[in-house]
This record gives sequence, structure tokens and C-alpha cells, in this order.
Amino acid sequence: GAGVSQSPSNKVTEKGKDVELRCDPISGHTALYWYRQSLGQGLEFLIYFQGNSAPDKSGLPSDRFSAERTGGSVSTLTIQRTQQEDSAVYLCASSLRVNEKLFFGSGTQLSVL
Amino acid sequence: DQQVKQNSPSLSVQEGRISILNCDYTNSMFDYFLWYKKYPAEGPTFLISISSIKDKNEDGRFTVFLNKSAKHLSLHIVPSQPGDSAVYFCAASGAGETSGSRLTFGEGTQLTVNP
Repeated sequence: GAGVSQSPSNKVTEKGKDVELRCDPISGHTALYWYRQSLGQGLEFLIYFQGNSAPDKSGLPSDRFSAERTGGSVSTLTIQRTQQEDSAVYLCASSLRVNEKLFFGSGTQLSVL
Repeated sequence: DQQVKQNSPSLSVQEGRISILNCDYTNSMFDYFLWYKKYPAEGPTFLISISSIKDKNEDGRFTVFLNKSAKHLSLHIVPSQPGDSAVYFCAASGAGETSGSRLTFGEGTQLTVNP
């Protein structure tokens, strides 16, 4: 596609439910990143993929968070047993290669009630 | 531990004047710095970057200055235009594939350019 696509754009869920957030990177981009932005905060790194492997997942805040990437393309970020503090905008970005310019999607606004 | 800080949450300037956005960092391993701009309901878009081997990089109306000894960088926009109104994020990365892949962002500064 022309840009990084994320779905859904908005997600409202109840505390304790699981959610899946999807990211379609720019075609041909080998690196894919997940960040989140909580209200009034900067962007917080979560995880990045080089191809289908995740060399750095140290930013995931707890074991309720996981992510996978298949076929070197689409990535899914899963949050299990959501908590209210998980409410944030989850941003996905891709780059042609690691250490190159990041292109961001519009994000998924997650609200946990 | 906020390694990249933007101490001004907001800045308001008149159209045609200079906008100066500031950013401080604490990690001396950072060697590459970027500015991103974000409009509401959109993802951040890359604006300009600078390597630690330089102290200035210019691109049209945008100039980034880096003062390594002070661990400080700034973004100058001259002349400012109403369309520049957005949130500006400073970001930094370190050397190497693993550390370089992780951008550390500041909290952002909301710039408003008044007509």
C-alpha cells in the first residue's frame, strides 16, 4: 500500500478482555515497529521486527503484551486481559531497513473502560 | 527515566516569525537525532534529522542545531506558517542495529502559529 495502515482506528473494550491490533507496513519494508503514546506522554517503544523475528521486545510493558509478524509483512499486537492503564494510541511504523527513516501509521486509539 | 525531554509542552508564535523548539537529552550514547511532526489523528511524519558528527542541518525553512557538549538540540522554523501548527517530537537513537532501531522520543511540543 501507499502508507502504513493500522486497524481498527478506534477500539473500545472492557477491562479484562483481549484485543488485537493490526498493522500493514509499507510494501517491501523489512523493519516494523510498535510504539504507544499515552495521554500527555511521548512515544514509548514497545517492540520491533526485522523480517519475522523480534530482536528487541524489551519495551513490552508486561507479559500480557505480545506481537507477531508473519510473511515479513502484517503484524499483530495482542493485549490480553486489558487494564485501564493500557489505554493509549498504539502506533505502528515501518522502515525499508533498520536504522532508516520510520514511516508511521495513524494509530489505533485503544480505550479500556 | 526520561532520556529525551522537551520542557515546553506548548509554543505560540506569529506567522512569519521564527519558531524555536528545544530538546534536551541525557544519554551520551545517542548519536542520531530526529524531529517528527504530528497532526491530530495522524501518525508522526519525519521532518529533519542530524547526525552527531554535525552541529547543523538545514532543509528549507527547517534547521536543526545540535550542541553535543550541552546535550541539547533545537529546531528552528523560519518563517513560521499556520500550516506548521502541530505537535513536534524530538527523538534520538544510539549506535548499532539493536539500539539504533529504538527511537527514544520526547513528550512533544504543541506549536501554534497564529495568522
